[in-house]
Amino acid sequence: GAVVSQHPSRVICKSGTSVKIECRSLDFQATTMFWYRQFPKQSLMLMATSNEGSKATYEQGVEKDKFLINHASLTLSTLTVTSAHPEDSSFYICSASRGEETQYFGPGTRLLVL
Amino acid sequence: GENVEQHPSTLSVQEGDSAVIKCTYSDSASNYFPWYKQELGKRPQLIIDIRSNVGEKKDQRIAVTLNKTAKHFSLHITETQPEDSAVYFCAASATGGGNKLTFGTGTQLKVEL
Repeated sequence: GAVVSQHPSRVICKSGTSVKIECRSLDFQATTMFWYRQFPKQSLMLMATSNEGSKATYEQGVEKDKFLINHASLTLSTLTVTSAHPEDSSFYICSASRGEETQYFGPGTRLLVL
Repeated sequence: GENVEQHPSTLSVQEGDSAVIKCTYSDSASNYFPWYKQELGKRPQLIIDIRSNVGEKKDQRIAVTLNKTAKHFSLHITETQPEDSAVYFCAASATGGGNKLTFGTGTQLKVEL
């Protein structure tokens, strides 16, 4: 149990376009979902925490108008990178929690902005 | 906020030897400490975790120890195998902090034949 999927796994887009990444908990209801960004050979940095039906809580330094998060149901959260630029190229990973401390991670989405 | 430091950044051991990775945390309210293994390009996978009411936890070749007073916790891998080669991350969270995980900087473990 506790499987989390992400789609797409890879995306290449042109600078200035928007990209949407989906995160789904497949076999459990996720009360909270988290979005992380990971640059090459670096650690995971939390971007925002998302609870179903409420606005996401963003970490300091993360632009909420650039990284739009929607958590419409207990099994789906989306991250939209708006007006993407090359510096947004990174590995974006979501995780989901069933209300306990343990977080289950998705497989990640590799974003390349040209 | 919480700050987690992790050492060493790289660790090379011979197959069959033990590997130890250490982390320190700053927030005394942290009460949950998971360890994740991440292979290149893959998702982090939880390998073991410990809560603050326990000092040690073991699962086969993997063990974690926690010293709440000193605010540090360690991962111990015994009888290392080549498939243990990966990046290992420690993390800390506090129940009252919405279970947000703060990750360490990671340790690249290489197990050599």
